[in-house]
Amino acid sequence: QVQLQESGPGLLKPSETLSLTCTVSGVSTSTYYWNWIRQPPGKGPEWIGYIYYSVSTRYNPSLKSRVTISIDTSKNQFSLRLRSVTAADTAVYYCARAGGYNYHFDSWGPGTLVTVSS
Amino acid sequence: EIVLTQSPATLSLSPGERATLSCGASQSVPSRYLAWYQQKPGLAPRLFIYDASTRATGIPDRFSGSGSGTDFTLTISRLEPEDFAVYYCQQYGSSPYSFGQGTKLEIK
Repeated sequence: QVQLQESGPGLLKPSETLSLTCTVSGVSTSTYYWNWIRQPPGKGPEWIGYIYYSVSTRYNPSLKSRVTISIDTSKNQFSLRLRSVTAADTAVYYCARAGGYNYHFDSWGPGTLVTVSS
Repeated sequence: EIVLTQSPATLSLSPGERATLSCGASQSVPSRYLAWYQQKPGLAPRLFIYDASTRATGIPDRFSGSGSGTDFTLTISRLEPEDFAVYYCQQYGSSPYSFGQGTKLEIK
């Protein structure tokens, strides 16, 4: 049974860098595609990007200039960094698993709310 | 980018009734790579349907998905109280993967 859990600061100031970690249990992060998805309050989800092993990453073009996703398979974790945040980055951030490239998201973490406010 | 438009935004029905939720795509979704998720307040979305018509593990057979190309439908044959929630469609056939804005299924 795969489980995912997001962790990281819940409050940031504008221009700071958002850093979140997703800890995975029940399956190795050496397999599958590992995604970050966010959902602003009252809106639909937005896909941020994925990482596959250490082989490939893919990002949403709308965020690509500010995003980095990395992975630490020894800790069974993957991480999100989003630079130069603004209030528009306030959202619940989810990590999620996909079975492959062009695949649905079959397991999600519970999500963590990140608020950007001065 | 494929833009998904869901309709209606809100659907008010009673338990026992049939629900039909629509998802339209701005361009054809490759290989019917479309999923439906259910989300309840304070929880993460949960996968219900993938590949347009395949039910995920543990999803009851009153839920069915259909469609191809640019038009997709989620049907709930007879609503149960636990089915009232927000439903999102999502395409994963073309990057960037995208979600619709959701349909809120509420009790009438």
